[in-house]
Amino acid sequence: DAGVIQSPRHEVTEMGQEVTLRCKPISGHNSLFWYRQTMMRGLELLIYFNNNVPIDDSGMPEDRFSAKMPNASFSTLKIQPSEPRDSAVYFCASSLSRSQETQYFGPGTRLLVL
Amino acid sequence: DAKTTQPTSMDCAEGRAANLPCNHSTISGNEYVYWYRQIHSQGPQYIIHGLKNNETNEMASLIITEDRKSSTLILPHATLRDTAVYYCIVRASNNAGNMLTFGGGTRLMVKP
Repeated sequence: DAGVIQSPRHEVTEMGQEVTLRCKPISGHNSLFWYRQTMMRGLELLIYFNNNVPIDDSGMPEDRFSAKMPNASFSTLKIQPSEPRDSAVYFCASSLSRSQETQYFGPGTRLLVL
Repeated sequence: DAKTTQPTSMDCAEGRAANLPCNHSTISGNEYVYWYRQIHSQGPQYIIHGLKNNETNEMASLIITEDRKSSTLILPHATLRDTAVYYCIVRASNNAGNMLTFGGGTRLMVKP
């Protein structure tokens, strides 16, 4: 299995631009998670989906952030408009089910907003 | 989920056992102890988890004290590739969301 796939691996953009991060979970996994990692705040859960339905988005920082999962094999995290403080590494993870303890993480997208 | 406390950093000589402690004094009966690690520039990686009994897999061993208030992750023969940040996480078995709350972790440096 290819594991969790994220794209792009690196993104540099200017403040005010729209940014879209993509994730393909492991085939057959029903839960998908978006995390953000910064030096100041560490690794934070932003939102997670179960069977393509958003279950908890309490970690989403503000309305500029939105996430979708149109089908079982694809999810997006969008930031519009982006700000310099959004610069971070964004990880996507998937697990077999809601109660399955092991989450498998992707390689992350390193975002820099100038 | 209960809070965990880990040392900020540790060193270990290559080939020796690395013993990483974790305190979780407020752990409750239905909470598991999980360990993940994050190698530089990579996503976190699952290592092992346990409830009461000691556990061992191909990566590591997990020793949980009888009162479950602390645990130790053991890498029996550390290599340079084990240099990473190690996260100890406590999660309830009825945490239907399977959410993981990462703390600061322990930065393990394996030295030649």
